[in-house]
Amino acid sequence: DAGITQSPRHKVTETGTPVTLRCHQTENHRYMYWYRQDPGHGLRLIHYSYGVKDTDKGEVSDGYSVSRSKTEDFLLTLESATSSQTSVYFCAISESVRGGNQPQHFGDGTRLSIL
Amino acid sequence: RKEVEQDPGPFNVPEGATVAFNCTYSNSASQSFFWYRQDCRKEPKLLMSVYSSGNEDGRFTAQLNRASQYISLLIRDSKLSDSATYLCVVNLWNYGQNFVFGPGTRLSVLP
Repeated sequence: DAGITQSPRHKVTETGTPVTLRCHQTENHRYMYWYRQDPGHGLRLIHYSYGVKDTDKGEVSDGYSVSRSKTEDFLLTLESATSSQTSVYFCAISESVRGGNQPQHFGDGTRLSIL
Repeated sequence: RKEVEQDPGPFNVPEGATVAFNCTYSNSASQSFFWYRQDCRKEPKLLMSVYSSGNEDGRFTAQLNRASQYISLLIRDSKLSDSATYLCVVNLWNYGQNFVFGPGTRLSVLP
């Protein structure tokens, strides 16, 4: 299995509190991603990173920020959590090879409940 | 039209059956294609990449038709352990990553 660790695995918190989720990889892959998965919506991209300090928004980025200060770590922050952000969050990594066919590999996920 | 569409499912099949999943994608610039499986409350796991010439891995066969923008997955001799949701994934570039996931098709293999 790809070396991807998400922390925490489970978290319950209250509306309005800040929350940071961490994704750590040992594969030295260039690309890292944060997704959320909700019933009826499938996987939706929140933010992704294409290098240290290089990030971009996905389709559901409102209310989320990210940072990548090192190749191996990609942080997702909910500045002021809302109940609509209750979800399962997955981190993924991939490598880029010109002309290649490189898939994503996923972490185990973080179950976040906001009350 | 959604970028990636799949059979709505669920598929309920007996053990030993052959089952086929279909996937269509809208962006003709799509470059790479994959099938993932996702078990309940678990992360998606890569099942197989899909190559232009078609490829097989044991009981699993994937086909790609670029002209029709269509991908398929065939599972032969279904096992109980094949029960999962199968996700079709399309990548728009080979070296600029833009993965688009289908909604998934759920398979239940029944004893």
